[in-house]
Amino acid sequence: DQQVKQNSPSLSVQEGRISILNCDYTNSMFDYFLWYKKYPAEGPTFLISISSIKDKNEDGRFTVFLNKSAKHLSLHIVPSQPGDSAVYFCAASVAQGGSEKLVFGKGTKLTVNP
Amino acid sequence: GAGVSQSPRYKVAKRGQDVALRCDPISGHVSLFWYQQALGQGPEFLTYFQNEAQLDKSGLPSDRFFAERPEGSVSTLKIQRTQQEDSAVYLCASSLDRTVNNSPLHFGNGTRLTVT
Repeated sequence: DQQVKQNSPSLSVQEGRISILNCDYTNSMFDYFLWYKKYPAEGPTFLISISSIKDKNEDGRFTVFLNKSAKHLSLHIVPSQPGDSAVYFCAASVAQGGSEKLVFGKGTKLTVNP
Repeated sequence: GAGVSQSPRYKVAKRGQDVALRCDPISGHVSLFWYQQALGQGPEFLTYFQNEAQLDKSGLPSDRFFAERPEGSVSTLKIQRTQQEDSAVYLCASSLDRTVNNSPLHFGNGTRLTVT
């Protein structure tokens, strides 16, 4: 059963516009959420994170919003640039048994067209 | 090196062969994770080390999978008697701290394993 869901496998936007990537989760024990970006043939790279005690975190062009009651988070990229084209993974952390493993969604492939 | 290094980048194994995948984490990083990423899926947790101690191996799919980090630095993921369903990219990640809240994971580029 997928605990972290990214229901849009792909998204295409025009350069300069906003990109909104969505993520839903089912496990109410998750207390930390992260977005990772992945280029082909490379490992995922950390982008931005948010704690469950916050509802928004901003870092430059990237903003993550968390709606705990809806178990939903989103990543906004404004303005979008062609270099943002990549697969974006939403991840959530579960603290259990001494480790904080990440549970990942399946990813959304973002294409930013020049 | 500056980042997490994994070797080999690509590995082709015949069904039934044993394979060993290596991970060199960032120097000084306490935590080390192994993830498996099948085609079209997100990474799935396999196992976690804090220094040399394997604290969580709940994600290892079978007893054919074994991981070690004997000196708290380099880690090896070993898969015995490989099967076709083991074909995937194996990602190693390390972090400075034991909690992802304080220190995000840094991933290597992965080893793509193909079992024929």
